[in-house]
Amino acid sequence: DTGVSQDPRHKITKRGQNVTFRCDPISEHNRLYWYRQTLGQGPEFLTYFQNEAQLEKSRLLSDRFSAERPKGSFSTLEIQRTEQGDSAMYLCASSLNIGTGLFLGYTFGSGTRLTVV
Amino acid sequence: AQRVTQPEKLLSVFKGAPVELKCNYSYSGSPELFWYVQYSRQRLQLLLRHISRESIKGFTADLNKGETSFHLKKPFAQEEDSAMYYCALMDSGGSNYKLTFGKGTLLTVNP
Repeated sequence: DTGVSQDPRHKITKRGQNVTFRCDPISEHNRLYWYRQTLGQGPEFLTYFQNEAQLEKSRLLSDRFSAERPKGSFSTLEIQRTEQGDSAMYLCASSLNIGTGLFLGYTFGSGTRLTVV
Repeated sequence: AQRVTQPEKLLSVFKGAPVELKCNYSYSGSPELFWYVQYSRQRLQLLLRHISRESIKGFTADLNKGETSFHLKKPFAQEEDSAMYYCALMDSGGSNYKLTFGKGTLLTVNP
């Protein structure tokens, strides 16, 4: 297991196009998180999954954004009708939640850098 | 709403000098605080968390609830400490384990 993988590393797209990113978490991790990081800012929470269930979505996640984790393994984040304001680094992180209330920490991926032109 | 403030965007010190990266937070509940680090061309990784009360790579951080601060300190900076540092907060009473990050401080340690 090589950690959390994200694909692609970079994506340049024209405004109005749809894009999809993929995240492959560490295989035994049941939680998967998406964060967005714009220039000069820290990462901001977008959404997270426990297995295949999407349990929380940030208000940052507009209707143009959709995330899935169909089999509780990899996840995809799709942005429809991209806008220049969507340009950012999209980070994925995974963790193992064992239900004891103990946070075991995240492992982050390298991110997908989206540029909307 | 929870908030994390890192007042310095940039911090430059010389090798061997002490370094302190400031972090203040705003949260009414019971927070758990973290420092994450991102070295050049590497992914974001956990440096330390306050509940561990440990020293990692010579760095320490003490949670001061009275001053709502969680400053990161190292007595003698090394060139390899040059990186982006993010302070982050989590609601320890919740179960979503989502993090609120500060904007980060870029530390440069000069030879």
